[in-house]
Amino acid sequence: GENVEQHPSTLSVQEGDSAVIKCTYSDSASNYFPWYKQELGKRPQLIIDIRSNVGEKKDQRIAVTLNKTAKHFSLHITETQPEDSAVYFCAAKRDRGSTLGRLYFGRGTQLTVWP
Amino acid sequence: DTAVSQTPKYLVTQMGNDKSIKCEQNLGHDTMYWYKQDSKKFLKIMFSYNNKELIINETVPNRFSPKSPDKAHLNLHINSLELGDSAVYFCASSQLDRGNGYTFGSGTRLTVV
Repeated sequence: GENVEQHPSTLSVQEGDSAVIKCTYSDSASNYFPWYKQELGKRPQLIIDIRSNVGEKKDQRIAVTLNKTAKHFSLHITETQPEDSAVYFCAAKRDRGSTLGRLYFGRGTQLTVWP
Repeated sequence: DTAVSQTPKYLVTQMGNDKSIKCEQNLGHDTMYWYKQDSKKFLKIMFSYNNKELIINETVPNRFSPKSPDKAHLNLHINSLELGDSAVYFCASSQLDRGNGYTFGSGTRLTVV
């Protein structure tokens, strides 16, 4: 099956700085890559996603990049704010085959933004 | 109008007891999941049902038994609870053929004492 690795496990930044979280995946057939944000005591919520036919996607202060050849994708948060503090999860899945529909999650990154 | 709702939100129980967690989604999705999140925040898949049919059954003790009476509901029954079962359990749903992510429920924090 798919194996998703996520780094770093913890990340501390000053308010206003940028934060980057990186993930690698093992299954070249994976073609959908969502990112989830989980605030303390809350559910994971989808914040941005990217498909394998796109190299980059932006939504205000967050962006995701995908390198299919190297099998890695990254989350970029610019102008970080204290409310960005949360655990972020990357994930990967494929639309075909025996693992159809199954999301494979990274182990999460605890982002702390200091005011 | 909660999309994926779980009950109860908190559950404190003694070792050896049997308990159930219920999940319902009103998104019209055809697939539902149970995930266990431990203290290190790792999201571990346990089960998945597609149109009431079990499609994912990870290595989970057989004390855990899921049931899907219809595609909008997925329940989790746990027998003979152990201390190590303490965790947050998340239900999620998705539409399998749409190639999108999951929508998670708000979670059930289970504490076994």
